[in-house]
Amino acid sequence: GEDVEQSLFLSVREGDSSVINCTYTDSSSTYLYWYKQEPGAGLQLLTYIFSNMDMKQDQRLTVLLNKKDKHLSLRIADTQTGDSAIYFCAENLIGAGSYQLTFGKGTKLSVIP
Amino acid sequence: EPEVTQTPSHQVTQMGQEVILRCVPISNHLYFYWYRQILGQKVEFLVSFYNNEISEKSEIFDDQFSVERPDGSNFTLKIRSTKLEDSAMYFCASTQGSNQPQHFGDGTRLSIL
Repeated sequence: GEDVEQSLFLSVREGDSSVINCTYTDSSSTYLYWYKQEPGAGLQLLTYIFSNMDMKQDQRLTVLLNKKDKHLSLRIADTQTGDSAIYFCAENLIGAGSYQLTFGKGTKLSVIP
Repeated sequence: EPEVTQTPSHQVTQMGQEVILRCVPISNHLYFYWYRQILGQKVEFLVSFYNNEISEKSEIFDDQFSVERPDGSNFTLKIRSTKLEDSAMYFCASTQGSNQPQHFGDGTRLSIL
């Protein structure tokens, strides 16, 4: 089965880069996602990467995937106070007849002005 | 940009009562999902639905739960006889294909008294 692990808290200063890390255990072909959840709100899809890619960049967001170590990271450049939220890593197996996302517990990012 | 909408945003129900949570998925999406998030815990998969039938369900999705797509736009989750432990945020998601990113609604907060 699959399991997704994240550190629970991260605190950074406004303007610095944030790096949120995630590890997953399943080695099958998979998509890996980052979702953002602001207080009282839903899950906003930020970005995703397929397991045959190493990196994906989208404006201030950079996703790095280390397949050997099953390690995924989300880097937010020039972190703003509006980036304060919980960030969830999620994994979706493909080709195994399963459509569900498996989520980590989420990393709470606090941005200090 | 099209989005998944959920109603109500907050539902308060007496234990033992039936509750129906409603979702309108993105219009050209074919796969529909329900997840729940107990306060402070992981987002957990409940059920996936495709072609008018359940394609996958988790252990949480017992006989007290059911899903329905009563018309071309709504997707509902019914809990037959609610328990205190059903209190959670319930998220609906939809996707165009089984390996496409899932787009989430803002959730319904269900409080069982």
